[in-house]
Amino acid sequence: SQQGEEDPQALSIQEGENATMNCSYKTSINNLQWYRQNSGRGLVHLILIRSNEREKHSGRLRVTLDTSKKSSSLLITASRAADTASYFCFNNNDMRFGAGTRLTVKP
Amino acid sequence: DTGVSQDPRHKITKRGQNVTFRCDPISEHNRLYWYRQTLGQGPEFLTYFQNEAQLEKSRLLSDRFSAERPKGSFSTLEIQRTEQGDSAMYLCASSGHRGDNEKLFFGSGTQLSVL
Repeated sequence: SQQGEEDPQALSIQEGENATMNCSYKTSINNLQWYRQNSGRGLVHLILIRSNEREKHSGRLRVTLDTSKKSSSLLITASRAADTASYFCFNNNDMRFGAGTRLTVKP
Repeated sequence: DTGVSQDPRHKITKRGQNVTFRCDPISEHNRLYWYRQTLGQGPEFLTYFQNEAQLEKSRLLSDRFSAERPKGSFSTLEIQRTEQGDSAMYLCASSGHRGDNEKLFFGSGTQLSVL
């Protein structure tokens, strides 16, 4: 079964706006990772945050981690139409993915 | 690195038939994972290998499913007596490459349709 839950399940925004996706997990983590999946394709790694980190940045991506709440958030700033995809969090400890957030960025 | 490759890309079979999928991980990766994904859902964990040892297997994986990784290189996933509920995308991933030890690299998947 999936141990992570993403929120929201679907998000639709205009190009240039920011997109925030949240993930909750149930078991402990060594690290938490975020992946992106374009329709019908394999997943691509975006960013990794370790259990002793609280925030990490990579380009237009910002991820936060709150281990006390067992949650993480992924922020994509200045979104582009090409960011349209599904985004999943991944618990490296139990190797489970969340249900995903389907992001649509309208041009 | 040529990436993770999966074969075939698509498989159509009749209910009750056996199917086998192959995954070639990135060379030097010692970890290999199998996931199953249905439309609109996240990948479901099936099983995990470290080298040739199968270290974890999901309870979702019934007796009809078996996976192997002989010699710690490529892996095969076999489904016996397929059922319509087995229709899904089967994803393979590998990890363990020096410098990217904890990132998973995915193949493009095998889309299975059971008629």
